[in-house]
Amino acid sequence: QSVLTQPPSVSGAPGQRVTLSCTGDNSNIGAGYVVHWYQHLPGTAPKLLIYGNINRPSGVPDRFSGSKSGTSASLAITGLQAEDEAYYYCQSYDISLSGSGVFGGGTRLTVL
Amino acid sequence: QVPLQGSGPGLVKPSQTLSLTCAVSGASINSGSYCWSWLRQSAGKGLEWIGLIYTNGNTNSNPSLRSRVTISIDRSKNQFSLKLSSVTAADSAVYYCARSEAGSWTPFDYWGQGSLVTVSS
Repeated sequence: QSVLTQPPSVSGAPGQRVTLSCTGDNSNIGAGYVVHWYQHLPGTAPKLLIYGNINRPSGVPDRFSGSKSGTSASLAITGLQAEDEAYYYCQSYDISLSGSGVFGGGTRLTVL
Repeated sequence: QVPLQGSGPGLVKPSQTLSLTCAVSGASINSGSYCWSWLRQSAGKGLEWIGLIYTNGNTNSNPSLRSRVTISIDRSKNQFSLKLSSVTAADSAVYYCARSEAGSWTPFDYWGQGSLVTVSS
């Protein structure tokens, strides 16, 4: 199983706001490691969406925002659009794996 | 944009060595500013980081796979490679190559599309 826990699926209507959660523990997110988020359409290259908990790479719309608190992190998407339908993965690092990168199992976002 | 293109056999027999190569375009693999990683995703499971290589040839890998992983770099061809030995069915996955900035806790900013590898006799 994945080190970080994400809900398998989330859905929302166009225009709505959705929040995707990523839960870890005190050996990863809670240890102070940053969280990154990726968007993935199967068959394509994953895309970096949020890095360092809250930062957006150039070209990522400000509809996407990240936050982190304690042992969890969240990705919020406002003004949901059909093109947002994809899988979303969170990533952090883990002390027990010598600081190796660890991922969540991914959340499938469905735009109704 | 930094296209990364992974390639290699899609079918590997159990106990053999899985070999994949990632060709890098749009950036020099010689740049000390970046390091180059391999990751994988098994069916129904999340992503798993396998390991990385720096431009100087130093490597680091996931402790759970370290004994079986070899990552190398070919500067003349602007590509890097993964070898995973003694594979089993559990190693069947989509394998991704990716780039990150050299330094601590940096994200993977460019990824390849993934190469499906099946371990089966």
